[in-house]
Amino acid sequence: DGGITQSPKYLFRKEGQNVTLSCEQNLNHDAMYWYRQDPGQGLRLIYYSQIVNDFQKGDIAEGYSVSREKKESFPLTVTSAQKNPTAFYLCASSYSGVPNYGYTFGSGTRLTVV
Amino acid sequence: AQSVTQLGSHVSVSEGALVLLRCNYSSSVPPYLFWYVQYPNQGLQLLLKYTSAATLVKGINGFEAEFKKSETSFHLTKPSAHMSDAAEYFCAVTNVSGNKLVFGAGTILRVKS
Repeated sequence: DGGITQSPKYLFRKEGQNVTLSCEQNLNHDAMYWYRQDPGQGLRLIYYSQIVNDFQKGDIAEGYSVSREKKESFPLTVTSAQKNPTAFYLCASSYSGVPNYGYTFGSGTRLTVV
Repeated sequence: AQSVTQLGSHVSVSEGALVLLRCNYSSSVPPYLFWYVQYPNQGLQLLLKYTSAATLVKGINGFEAEFKKSETSFHLTKPSAHMSDAAEYFCAVTNVSGNKLVFGAGTILRVKS
């Protein structure tokens, strides 16, 4: 079955450490998105990509980086510059140019700073 | 800019009672609107979407929503709440460019036995 796979489900980061969250999809979607979710704050867009080798900053990109070398993959790196990284991270995908399609979401990665 | 406002961060209903979750949108173009559900520690799942084909949209798990242009609303309803409906619900609208969804802050639904 097609879907989006996020890994790991739980991740622990030490102060000053970079960590990378994986997001892979086999839905043949062009567009991929990363959101951060904190209690009571809804979903905030970090980065998105409409096509391979291209991506744009979202509303809260500082302290994060991404790459889009393959259509299927859109990894998110949480750098040491992100001062408050503890949150639930969600990856999503969709078709570019089809605004009424909606997103398909992964099951999320919960990142905790220790 | 496109936006959605969800009235009520928490809603509590008794099992078997009507569920009504409110969403109002702001859009400079005809909108595409969505409702998603999120269970604890999981991703979001699409419940239903409005794409201009019909104003009353039926979704999964017995939910439906009605698009009312005059009220700029897209409220989510279910005639009879079940314990399994307890979750967080998000309303979303496509942005003007059509390349992103803009989400509301979410409403946590509690179902009492």
